Amino acid sequence: DTAVSQTPKYLVTQMGNDKSIKCEQNLGHDTMYWYKQDSKKFLKIMFSYNNKELIINETVPNRFSPKSPDKAHLNLHINSLELGDSAVYFCASSQQTDQPQHFGDGTRLSIL
Amino acid sequence: KNEVEQSPQNLTAQEGEFITINCSYSVGISALHWLQQHPGGGIVSLFMLSSGKKKHGRLIATINIQEKHSSLHITASHPRDSAVYICAVPSNFGNEKLTFGTGTRLTIIP
Repeated sequence: DTAVSQTPKYLVTQMGNDKSIKCEQNLGHDTMYWYKQDSKKFLKIMFSYNNKELIINETVPNRFSPKSPDKAHLNLHINSLELGDSAVYFCASSQQTDQPQHFGDGTRLSIL
Repeated sequence: KNEVEQSPQNLTAQEGEFITINCSYSVGISALHWLQQHPGGGIVSLFMLSSGKKKHGRLIATINIQEKHSSLHITASHPRDSAVYICAVPSNFGNEKLTFGTGTRLTIIP
């Protein structure tokens, strides 16, 4: 069974569109994260939720809105996509904020 | 804010060699993470350590809190160890927001 699953794996779309990436974990973890990995392969935290509450919100454009309907899910919605949003987005989870993180396989977003 | 430096950036070695990857950081931390990113893109957490040494199979991670330095060692390296190895530390002590190093690309030649 996949521990942290993200969908879709690939997302190709036009500039200006709105898209969502879904993340689900079946590990019973309390904390979930979204990371962005740019073309230089540099990972950066975007958001973190602990028990459905937002605990980390980095300097991310407000076009990006995370939503956590329950502690097993953390979805990422992006409005008005821009060329610079092209990247690989990783979801992760951990039991608590000071525990090892388990990563999803990533979603490669390409903006045309 | 914690600054993280990894070295080397790229490392190519022959199968069987002993590998060392280094990570230095600037601000005291509660724990340090070592991650492995496969050529296919997936990321796996290898270690999380706050002191001393941890071992898992052929992988060993050490940390010196006073010197703000950690090393990841691979014994009897194998081509399947080829990956990018990334260290990550909390941005500030007690803050679990991680700052990532730029990664070390390891290639093991058969």
